[in-house]
Amino acid sequence: QKEVEQNSGPLSVPEGAIASLNCTYSDRGSQSFFWYRQYSGKSPELIMFIYSNGDKEDGRFTAQLNKASQYVSLLIRDSQPSDSATYLCAGNTGFQKLVFGTGTRLLVSP
Amino acid sequence: KAGVTQTPRYLIKTRGQQVTLSCSPISGHRSVSWYQQTPGQGLQFLFEYFSETQRNKGNFPGRFSGRQFSNSRSEMNVSTLELGDSALYLCASSSGLNNEQFFGPGTRLTVL
Repeated sequence: QKEVEQNSGPLSVPEGAIASLNCTYSDRGSQSFFWYRQYSGKSPELIMFIYSNGDKEDGRFTAQLNKASQYVSLLIRDSQPSDSATYLCAGNTGFQKLVFGTGTRLLVSP
Repeated sequence: KAGVTQTPRYLIKTRGQQVTLSCSPISGHRSVSWYQQTPGQGLQFLFEYFSETQRNKGNFPGRFSGRQFSNSRSEMNVSTLELGDSALYLCASSSGLNNEQFFGPGTRLTVL
């Protein structure tokens, strides 16, 4: 079992819809979680992080963390074609070691 | 503020050779982490340096090594290259606050 699991997708949503990206993790020692966006041929770009149970909002993005269920999600409101990318979920297990999921490919159609 | 820089951006080597990659973190950041990204394995942690000390290491063979200098710049070295070492090597810098890591553009290594 991988430490961080994501559905590889693709997840297809129409422009303007809410995209919901999910991630589960197995290491209960993970203290914080990060969402990165990676366009093809580019390096990962940090979207946001979360370390407390509940929701955290930043613009069109909302991260949700449920430590009891070992579940992290990212909601993207008003999805745009420019949001089409691979979204990587990562857990921090200590001393800056991020364990990444394999990523979910999001396709937003005009 | 300038971002993370990595050099070179592209590298072609042959099996058995060694390679050194360089990373300059964001100004003021003292933590540098290295990752390997391949289509099959995804992003995997190699090691992390903070104030010239390796604090954490991933599950890679000893052929992969690194170091950090007093100005926080970091290098990683891969000796006796194998075909499977072909990958995108990413470095990420962090100030340590909340452990946010910001990635550089990466070095694309091809081993022939």
